[in-house]
Amino acid sequence: AQTVTQSQPEMSVQEAETVTLSCTYDTSESDYYLFWYKQPPSRQMILVIRQEAYKQQNATENRFSVNFQKAAKSFSLKISDSQLGDAAMYFCAYRSGRGGNYKLTFGKGTLLTVNP
Amino acid sequence: NAGVTQTPKFQVLKTGQSMTLQCAQDMNHEYMSWYRQDPGMGLRLIHYSVGAGITDQGEVPNGYNVSRSTTEDFPLRLLSAAPSQTSVYFCASSWGLAGGTQYFGPGTRLTVL
Repeated sequence: AQTVTQSQPEMSVQEAETVTLSCTYDTSESDYYLFWYKQPPSRQMILVIRQEAYKQQNATENRFSVNFQKAAKSFSLKISDSQLGDAAMYFCAYRSGRGGNYKLTFGKGTLLTVNP
Repeated sequence: NAGVTQTPKFQVLKTGQSMTLQCAQDMNHEYMSWYRQDPGMGLRLIHYSVGAGITDQGEVPNGYNVSRSTTEDFPLRLLSAAPSQTSVYFCASSWGLAGGTQYFGPGTRLTVL
């Protein structure tokens, strides 16, 4: 079974600075997808970024980028120019690319605080 | 597009009561699922469906039933509520079965007294 580990329960960053959230996963599959979701106090789960395992290029979405290290099974999220609105719980998640296994496996989350 | 909608947003039940949490999506997604979120536990899969008439169990299915009579709707039924079912419940859907990005509803906060 796949597992996702977020080793930082809480992180903080100063506004306009850069912060990196860590995520590692364990799988024996070669075809899979990785996600970062953001959950602000409103509790809505918002997709931040998605990475296909077969792509070597790291995904980016504006100020958000990932460092995907397939061999190390690491998938960290970098937030540049942090803004107050980035304060939220961030979840790393894994989904198999294999048919018949549709489950999205989540880490336990990292609570990010942004200080003005 | 409304996306994924859930009702109610909040609910308080007494132990032993039953209720149905509603979930609907207007994106013609094949895959729909229910998660519960508990403090320090992340999100855990309760049940999922890969199409109308097809459902299966996730990690924590006990005490919950689901059905999928249409592509759009995927209700979650609590048969006899217990305090251990106090949680926030999320419905999610995705296009495609393997690897598709899941989109989440706004959640239902359920308290069982």
